[in-house]
Amino acid sequence: EPEVTQTPSHQVTQMGQEVILRCVPISNHLYFYWYRQILGQKVEFLVSFYNNEISEKSEIFDDQFSVERPDGSNFTLKIRSTKLEDSAMYFCASRNRDSGANVLTFGAGSRLTVL
Amino acid sequence: GESVGLHLPTLSVQEGDNSIINCAYSNSASDYFIWYKQESGKGPQFIIDIRSNMDKRQGQRVTVLLNKTVKHLSLQIAATQPGDSAVYFCAENRAGGYNKLIFGAGTRLAVHP
Repeated sequence: EPEVTQTPSHQVTQMGQEVILRCVPISNHLYFYWYRQILGQKVEFLVSFYNNEISEKSEIFDDQFSVERPDGSNFTLKIRSTKLEDSAMYFCASRNRDSGANVLTFGAGSRLTVL
Repeated sequence: GESVGLHLPTLSVQEGDNSIINCAYSNSASDYFIWYKQESGKGPQFIIDIRSNMDKRQGQRVTVLLNKTVKHLSLQIAATQPGDSAVYFCAENRAGGYNKLIFGAGTRLAVHP
């Protein structure tokens, strides 16, 4: 069964450092997403991406965050200058046009720890 | 990919029993309500959804009930199995957007043999 693949599984970084989290969505999917989950809290929407541009973003997704689809397979989330409160599990998700708006396929997540 | 929550409500059931997981939502304008399951070490996985103009929808061993009067959503799992042990999240979606799923707090389901 096709999977969304995320790397790294866990990254530890110092406050103020840049972090790039990588995702390989399912190959025929057209819509891409990043969500995050702070330990013990809800899964929160960050950003959606379609047709090579951001289609929607949340208040969390400020100018410290950016997304990119540098080639036909990767989808990245960059945090320019990490803060302690960025520590969370970051989930990438994708969907195709036919599966319906509610059916996202999530990756296993990248745990980010900011010290 | 654990969604370990220090204060997640937990539902404990015996294998073979039916489980009912509840969720209260706040946005009356949501067009869809969805249930996701998150097993330990994995990302959320879609289970079933229901449109806001319906009050019941059945899947394989699962039924979702929607009560718009009291803004309540429930997921019923028939003949619960050990593999059903996970954290269950309800979510809302508004049609016409780009699928900004709004997740609720999770409920941990623990299935005992």
